[in-house]
Amino acid sequence: GAVVSQHPSRVICKSGTSVKIECRSLDFQATTMFWYRQFPKQSLMLMATSNEGSKATYEQGVEKDKFLINHASLTLSTLTVTSAHPEDSSFYICSARANDRGNSPLHFGNGTRLTVT
Amino acid sequence: ILNVEQSPQSLHVQEGDSTNFTCSFPSSNFYALHWYRWETAKSPEALFVMTLNGDEKKKGRISATLNTKEGYSYLYIKGSQPEDSATYLCAPPRTNTGNQFYFGTGTSLTVIP
Repeated sequence: GAVVSQHPSRVICKSGTSVKIECRSLDFQATTMFWYRQFPKQSLMLMATSNEGSKATYEQGVEKDKFLINHASLTLSTLTVTSAHPEDSSFYICSARANDRGNSPLHFGNGTRLTVT
Repeated sequence: ILNVEQSPQSLHVQEGDSTNFTCSFPSSNFYALHWYRWETAKSPEALFVMTLNGDEKKKGRISATLNTKEGYSYLYIKGSQPEDSATYLCAPPRTNTGNQFYFGTGTSLTVIP
């Protein structure tokens, strides 16, 4: 149980285009989803917290207009990288929780490797 | 941002050796502490969720302890096996919401057959 599906797993796009990444909880309803980015040889950096039906909470230094997050349902959150540039090339991974209790673990997708040429 | 440190950054051990590593976090306003294992080409997987000072969790050969007063958690692996090779991440949720997770830098473990 508690499977999170993330698509696509890899995407290559040209500079200036936008890319949408989907994160779905397949067998549970996720009240909260999280988007992380991993820079080379570094840990997961929290980009934003996404709550169903409300605006995402972005971490300091993360551009809201650059990284659009939509959490339209309890099973789907999307991250759109708008007007992508080579510096946006990175590994992006989502996670979801079934509830907000402290003992509720995160369930991760497999991540998306974005390459902007 | 919560400052979470893990040490060592990487570790190479021989098969059969036991090992341990540390997660340090600000001890004030503790809420919970999560440990995750991240194997190459897979997604991170929850190992333990710890909420009480002095808590000790065990799953097979892996166990973890928690000290909230001094702000650290230890992860132990007894008799390491090659399949234990992975990056181990800890994450204490931010207290004021209990719902935002900042991950430590991780400990990369390689078990040499």
